[in-house]
Amino acid sequence: GAGVSQSPSNKVTEKGKDVELRCDPISGHTALYWYRQSLGQGLEFLIYFQGNSAPDKSGLPSDRFSAERTGGSVSTLTIQRTQQEDSAVYLCASSVNRVSEQFFGPGTRLTVL
Amino acid sequence: GENVEQHPSTLSVQEGDSAVIKCTYSDSASNYFPWYKQELGKRPQLIIDIRSNVGEKKDQRIAVTLNKTAKHFSLHITETQPEDSAVYFCAASDDYKLSFGAGTTVTVRA
Repeated sequence: GAGVSQSPSNKVTEKGKDVELRCDPISGHTALYWYRQSLGQGLEFLIYFQGNSAPDKSGLPSDRFSAERTGGSVSTLTIQRTQQEDSAVYLCASSVNRVSEQFFGPGTRLTVL
Repeated sequence: GENVEQHPSTLSVQEGDSAVIKCTYSDSASNYFPWYKQELGKRPQLIIDIRSNVGEKKDQRIAVTLNKTAKHFSLHITETQPEDSAVYFCAASDDYKLSFGAGTTVTVRA
């Protein structure tokens, strides 16, 4: 079946602009995660959604970052007033439930000029 | 929170030799330890995982060992092949939140 998909694959924006990144999880997966991968670094947890429960936003680096998940499926990660340090690959993952294998999407490479 | 350290950061091996990557974690509550492989420009993919109720798990040429007392776990790849060249990440979790190591770039020399 189809895996996790993300769009756009690449995004170049100017400092100060807002961006929206989209994630389509695997159908039926109740858990959805966002991670950030900076150049040469490991993956940094950003936010977690599980069904209709309140999301775990503990990894969001600042209040410029927000995310939502509509209808328990598609998720969008929004970064307002982008800064150059926001440049990274943003990865989305989904899993059947909170303790099962996480399947990753291909990522969105964000470049802030 | 959990802190995962991974060594070495780069590893070059001759084709056919073994590769070993080691990780340590800080949170004794962690009970799930996956390893992900990420080829250049591709998404991370799970290659093997282990839970805290076992000490070792093997899948063909790949094995993972876990020492809960010392809070470290290792990935072993035997008979390395060129297609094993990639970045490998270890991670640890006590629930849903994975904490990742910084990654090991493995290069298999033909």
